[in-house]
Amino acid sequence: AQTVTQSQPEMSVQEAETVTLSCTYDTSENNYYLFWYKQPPSRQMILVIRQEAYKQQNATENRFSVNFQKAAKSFSLKISDSQLGDTAMYFCAYTSYGKLTFGQGTILTVHP
Amino acid sequence: DGGITQSPKYLFRKEGQNVTLSCEQNLNHDAMYWYRQDPGQGLRLIYYSQIVNDFQKGDIAEGYSVSREKKESFPLTVTSAQKNPTAFYLCASSIRLLEGTETQYFGPGTRLLVL
Repeated sequence: AQTVTQSQPEMSVQEAETVTLSCTYDTSENNYYLFWYKQPPSRQMILVIRQEAYKQQNATENRFSVNFQKAAKSFSLKISDSQLGDTAMYFCAYTSYGKLTFGQGTILTVHP
Repeated sequence: DGGITQSPKYLFRKEGQNVTLSCEQNLNHDAMYWYRQDPGQGLRLIYYSQIVNDFQKGDIAEGYSVSREKKESFPLTVTSAQKNPTAFYLCASSIRLLEGTETQYFGPGTRLLVL
């Protein structure tokens, strides 16, 4: 069974600084996809970024980028120039087919 | 506007009562999903449906039931058999069953509380 582990229950960062959230996963599949979702206090789940396992190039979306290490089964999220609106719970998720498996989440607080 | 709506926003259940959570989407998506979120935890899949009149159990289906009579609608019933129903419930949809390239869109959620 696939599992996703986020080892940092909480993180904090100062506004304008950079923070990295960690995620590891376990799978025997070769083709799969990884995601980072953001859940702000409104509880609405928002897709932040997606990575295809067959792509060696790390995905980027504006201030958000990932460090995908397939052999190590690691998928970290880097947020640059942190903003107050980035305060949220962040979930790492995995899918190979049919459903998403989520990690436990990391609460990120951005301080002014 | 296209999207997913869930109602009600808050729902209270009495002991032994069945309650139904509504989920509607106008995105013309074939696949729909129900997740449960407990405080400080990730989402766990309850049921999913890849097409009308078809649905599959997820990881924690016991005590829940669903139906998929229309493409737009995927209601979730929390039965009296679910002994610990207090949680936040999220509905989601994707254009087809996830193979990775599809994006899963989420509704705003329903908070269920037991009286």
